[in-house]
Amino acid sequence: EAGVTQFPSHSVIEKGQTVTLRCDPISGHDNLYWYRRVMGKEIKFLLHFVKESKQDESGMPNNRFLAERTGGTYSTLKVQPAELEDSGVYFCASSLGTSGGPDTQYFGPGTRLTVL
Amino acid sequence: KNEVEQSPQNLTAQEGEFITINCSYSVGISALHWLQQHPGGGIVSLFMLSSGKKKHGRLIATINIQEKHSSLHITASHPRDSAVYICAVRDYGGSQGNLIFGKGTKLSVKP
Repeated sequence: EAGVTQFPSHSVIEKGQTVTLRCDPISGHDNLYWYRRVMGKEIKFLLHFVKESKQDESGMPNNRFLAERTGGTYSTLKVQPAELEDSGVYFCASSLGTSGGPDTQYFGPGTRLTVL
Repeated sequence: KNEVEQSPQNLTAQEGEFITINCSYSVGISALHWLQQHPGGGIVSLFMLSSGKKKHGRLIATINIQEKHSSLHITASHPRDSAVYICAVRDYGGSQGNLIFGKGTKLSVKP
């Protein structure tokens, strides 16, 4: 069974440009999460989808970040326009989660974003 | 909001040693996760627990809800255990994905 995949693995862009990150969860997983780790800091939650709906987007830093999960399959996270402080590693995770209770999350390899 | 503290920040051990990594949190939780991040960057979920103890191979995770504390133990450590170990908690009543992470413990096991 394929794990969580993310694309691209690395992205280097200039300040002001737009970048779109993609996450493909494990097939059949309704829950999809985005996290971010900036240099030297702990991983922070960004948002959580249940199927195509945003269950919790309290961690999204500002309106330059837009996440979508059309059709409840893969998800994209767009940063527009990118700023220097957006640099970091963006992780996606998915879980089966049918009961709404605590659920094992399976992480993707991450996308390392560098904004110059 | 929960605050998650891990100790130690860095740990160097000799192969075969018994290792303990600690995690404490400030507010009641519904679940605690232990994660492993290898030098390549990928994150693997090791344990999710809300009470008691879980064991998988040479890894043991325990949690004391009253003391708001969890430990991850590695028995007979091996160089391949070298990684960053991260504790993350889900606040009681918090949404499923809104995990609060510790800064991680970097473990290096020397042959």
